[in-house]
Amino acid sequence: DTGVSQDPRHKITKRGQNVTFRCDPISEHNRLYWYRQTLGQGPEFLTYFQNEAQLEKSRLLSDRFSAERPKGSFSTLEIQRTEQGDSAMYLCASSRETYGYTFGSGTRLTVV
Amino acid sequence: GDSVTQMEGPVTLSEEAFLTINCTYTATGYPSLFWYVQYPGEGLQLLLKATKADDKGSNKGFEATYRKETTSFHLEKGSVQVSDSAVYFCALRGSNDYKLSFGAGTTVTVRA
Repeated sequence: DTGVSQDPRHKITKRGQNVTFRCDPISEHNRLYWYRQTLGQGPEFLTYFQNEAQLEKSRLLSDRFSAERPKGSFSTLEIQRTEQGDSAMYLCASSRETYGYTFGSGTRLTVV
Repeated sequence: GDSVTQMEGPVTLSEEAFLTINCTYTATGYPSLFWYVQYPGEGLQLLLKATKADDKGSNKGFEATYRKETTSFHLEKGSVQVSDSAVYFCALRGSNDYKLSFGAGTTVTVRA
């Protein structure tokens, strides 16, 4: 069990650029989640995959955000035309059915 | 919707002091309740959980009891160490749900 891996750990981008983050869940976990955490706040749910199917998207996930999980393995979260308000820590987690989540260390995005 | 309110920080304590972090929740049905901890530079880690009323979760000297009558899940530790310095998040998962709703987090600093 190597845990949940996220890449990159840090990303600095200029406003208007596109960014993509990757999450590799624990291999036997069929559920994958993305959360966003802003400074001084707890994580907020963004989206959820069961295997390769995206089953729920939060209203926080605007049209500029897209997430995929091809083949039910790793997942990517893309943000198009980044805005300063997108600056946050993006957390990925995985779980087997409804048992406890395992979180990754997150990708910290800074939009300048 | 489901929500969690936890004690605002920061909290600064001396080693061996008693720690309490208050957490109350609003949810329908019978949610599961969690405490997560985030050490500097690391991802969220599950500290303890309780899945039904009157359950007590415990781990690493920390305890929390699921009180349905007061809708609370307060975190306690009798004697903190410097290594307990971290951000603590209270969270709930609604019954028949997979999403976690987090509180804003409480930063705890323990001084030697």
